[in-house]
Amino acid sequence: AQKVTQAQTEISVVEKEDVTLDCVYETRDTTYYLFWYKQPPSGELVFLIRRNSFDEQNEISGRYSWNFQKSTSSFNFTITASQVVDSAVYFCALSEALGAQKLVFGQGTRLTINP
Amino acid sequence: DVKVTQSSRYLVKRTGEKVFLECVQDMDHENMFWYRQDPGLGLRLIYFSYDVKMKEKGDIPEGYSVSREKKERFSLILESASTNQTSMYLCASSPPGLNTEAFFGQGTRLTVV
Repeated sequence: AQKVTQAQTEISVVEKEDVTLDCVYETRDTTYYLFWYKQPPSGELVFLIRRNSFDEQNEISGRYSWNFQKSTSSFNFTITASQVVDSAVYFCALSEALGAQKLVFGQGTRLTINP
Repeated sequence: DVKVTQSSRYLVKRTGEKVFLECVQDMDHENMFWYRQDPGLGLRLIYFSYDVKMKEKGDIPEGYSVSREKKERFSLILESASTNQTSMYLCASSPPGLNTEAFFGQGTRLTVV
C-alpha cells in the first residue's frame, strides 16, 4: 500500500529564514508521481509541483526548490528567504501511474512565518 | 480560470439527518474526487468517479455514498449523519491521462451535532 509521511506537524520560523519541509513515501510501484500542495487559510489546495518517479532532477522555482531522492524515498521542499505569505499548511502526496490518479496525502505540515 | 465550486463553506447538521454536499467543476474533467481532511490525518479519499454514473470506493467509504449524474457535478451523500463525520470535505477534479494535477474546491466544513 502507498503511504506518505510528513513527520513535521508544525514549523515556525522568522521571516527571511530558510525552511525545509520533509516528505517520505512508500510504494511498491516503479512508476508513480509525487506532488506538493499548499493550503492557505482560505482552504483551497493549490498545486505547487509534480514529479514523476523517473525524474530525479531537483527543481527550483523562484524561492521554492524540491529535492527528490529515490534512494531514500524522499521528496523534500525548501523555501528560501521565507515570507509571511508562505504561511500555510503544506501537503505532500503520491499517486499511482495508472487509473484515475488517486492521491495519497501525508499528514500535512503547518508552516508559520513570523514577521 | 479553472474552477471547482463546493456549494457550502460551512454546514451544521443534526445527527441522523441526510446530508448532501455538492461539487461542480467547469473544466470538463472526467475524474472527480471527494476527500475528507482531519487534523493529523491529512486528506483521505472517500469516493471517486472517472466518468458519469461511474463511482469507486476510496479508502474510507463507510457511511457515505456518491452520485454523478452529470459530468460536471459530483455529490457526496451522508445517509445518516453522525458526529464522527464532523470534518472538512474537499472536492477535486482532474483530466484523464498521466501526469495531471488535481484542482480542488475551497472545502466544506461540516459540523454534525
